[in-house]
Amino acid sequence: GNSVTQMEGPVTLSEEAFLTINCTYTATGYPSLFWYVQYPGEGLQLLLKATKADDKGSNKGFEATYRKETTSFHLEKGSVQVSDSAVYFCALSDRVGGSEKLVFGKGMKLTVNP
Amino acid sequence: EAGVVQSPRYKIIEKKQPVAFWCNPISGHNTLYWYRQNLGQGPELLIRYENEEAVDDSQLPKDRFSAERLKGVDSTLKIQPAELGDSAVYLCASSPPRTGGSYNEQFFGPGTRLTVL
Repeated sequence: GNSVTQMEGPVTLSEEAFLTINCTYTATGYPSLFWYVQYPGEGLQLLLKATKADDKGSNKGFEATYRKETTSFHLEKGSVQVSDSAVYFCALSDRVGGSEKLVFGKGMKLTVNP
Repeated sequence: EAGVVQSPRYKIIEKKQPVAFWCNPISGHNTLYWYRQNLGQGPELLIRYENEEAVDDSQLPKDRFSAERLKGVDSTLKIQPAELGDSAVYLCASSPPRTGGSYNEQFFGPGTRLTVL
């Protein structure tokens, strides 16, 4: 079945450091790919998405490019802030009966220190 | 606009006791999902509703778990009896009716953290 493997943490960075969180996937067909973020005490929020190969999703300074050849969707940010401290989940969609079934990776906890 | 509402936020029970979780989706969202998130893991789908119909419950442990979505709005997830391994965060999500071929975003509630002692 479809699956997502992502870099496991936890990871601690200093403010303004460069961030990369690796994500690779296994899927039949052509899934859409997502990064979700979970801030402390809050629900999961969609951070960015890409629906086809070579698409780049971006939001809040984060970027990820759908790479079909390497089945990857790595998340990057050039300069992290303390407010980026959260758990990040890579996910793919498995469209079933017209609605989206999400398959998540295990998540990676990021702590950014001032 | 209010988001997905879940209650309670936290629940501690002894094993073999029953427990129920409630979810109120975003107004107008016809699809509702229940996920379970174990510690250190990503969420895993338990059941998906289209209006009041459960269209995917293949991952729901039916010997002890049940769910309902009467009138196609609010939903309740129940565990009876609870086991130690049921300790997890139970997430509810909803999504609006699909329009065209675009991705149908799921909006998540804050979850209910269940601890079974």
